[in-house]
Amino acid sequence: QKEVEQNSGPLSVPEGAIASLNCTYSDRGSQSFFWYRQYSGKSPELIMSIYSNGDKEDGRFTAQLNKASQYVSLLIRDSQPSDSATYLCAVNIRRGAQKLVFGQGTRLTINP
Amino acid sequence: DTGVSQNPRHKITKRGQNVTFRCDPISEHNRLYWYRQTLGQGPEFLTYFQNEAQLEKSRLLSDRFSAERPKGSFSTLEIQRTEQGDSAMYLCASSSRGLDTGELFFGEGSRLTVL
Repeated sequence: QKEVEQNSGPLSVPEGAIASLNCTYSDRGSQSFFWYRQYSGKSPELIMSIYSNGDKEDGRFTAQLNKASQYVSLLIRDSQPSDSATYLCAVNIRRGAQKLVFGQGTRLTINP
Repeated sequence: DTGVSQNPRHKITKRGQNVTFRCDPISEHNRLYWYRQTLGQGPEFLTYFQNEAQLEKSRLLSDRFSAERPKGSFSTLEIQRTEQGDSAMYLCASSSRGLDTGELFFGEGSRLTVL
């Protein structure tokens, strides 16, 4: 089992709809969780961080964390074509460890 | 620009040659990370520095790889005797706090092509 798993996609969503991206992780002791956006040929850009169970909202983005289910998600409301990118889930899998483990990313396409 | 800076942005080399990449982190960040990313995959952790000390190192970092951060500011990643499998994007990131509460900010990356 991979430490961090995402569906690779591609995920296709019409413009204006809600895009839902999912991520599961294997280590129940994981403490911090991040979503990065990566455009083709570019480096990852931090979108959201979440550290406790529940929802965290920032503009059109909402991160959701459920530690009991070892599940973290990212919702993008009112999807725009500029949201088309690969979304990477990253997990700090052990307290005190100084490395993030990334999923392979989900490729999202927003159709005008 | 006060972000993480990496150079060169692109490097094409022949198999067997040595290459070196440089990373300048965000100025107030004392933590620096190197990752490697291949096409279609997420970044993979290579190594971590806190100030000048290299505190974590991945098993991915073979003997041909060495990283330094001599004065706790910029860092270099050297790959000796490059192989075609070393072709990847090498990403540097920095942080002001540990990952329990902090966030990583990535540079634009250095893309290596080994012919």
